[in-house]
Amino acid sequence: KNEVEQSPQNLTAQEGEFITINCSYSVGISALHWLQQHPGGGIVSLFMLSSGKKKHGRLIATINIQEKHSSLHITASHPRDSAVYICAVRSQSGNQFYFGTGTSLTVIP
Amino acid sequence: DSGVTQTPKHLITATGQRVTLRCSPRSGDLSVYWYQQSLDQGLQFLIQYYNGEERAKGNILERFSAQQFPDLHSELNLSSLELGDSALYFCASSVATGGREQYFGPGTRLTVT
Repeated sequence: KNEVEQSPQNLTAQEGEFITINCSYSVGISALHWLQQHPGGGIVSLFMLSSGKKKHGRLIATINIQEKHSSLHITASHPRDSAVYICAVRSQSGNQFYFGTGTSLTVIP
Repeated sequence: DSGVTQTPKHLITATGQRVTLRCSPRSGDLSVYWYQQSLDQGLQFLIQYYNGEERAKGNILERFSAQQFPDLHSELNLSSLELGDSALYFCASSVATGGREQYFGPGTRLTVT
């Protein structure tokens, strides 16, 4: 059983579309991270959340602690957004990290 | 560029050998995290150090060990290597421990033949 589940696994969108990636987790957490991994392999941290909502440019991340659920939204998607998006949580004790298997996003021009 | 450096970028070695991966955190960051990313298991947390002390331990095998030195750089030692150890190894750093944003290095790709 995975502590972190993401959906969808794969997503193809037309440029300009609004995109949502979902993450559900089953453990108590101290923080949730959204990561972006490009085809070259490098990982960039997009957001770290412990409550509420954060926005960076076209990206928005929300978290509902009671429902153990987070969403990553991309507005006005662009081909350069094509990447794998990974949800990760840090356990409440702070001693463990759990990762989702990632959502592979392809944005077509 | 995250400011986190990892060396080497690529490493090819044989089963049974030992290798050392190196990580230099961003200037001012005290915490270093090590992660393994393999094709079949995805990303896994290995270990965290904070200011030279081990802070959290994840799915790190007994054949693996790590340390953080006084200048805050960290090394991950992998010994008695097996084919299944082939993976990308990422280091990340953060300013402190606890819920802090992490900055990832470019990774070291290890191939065990």
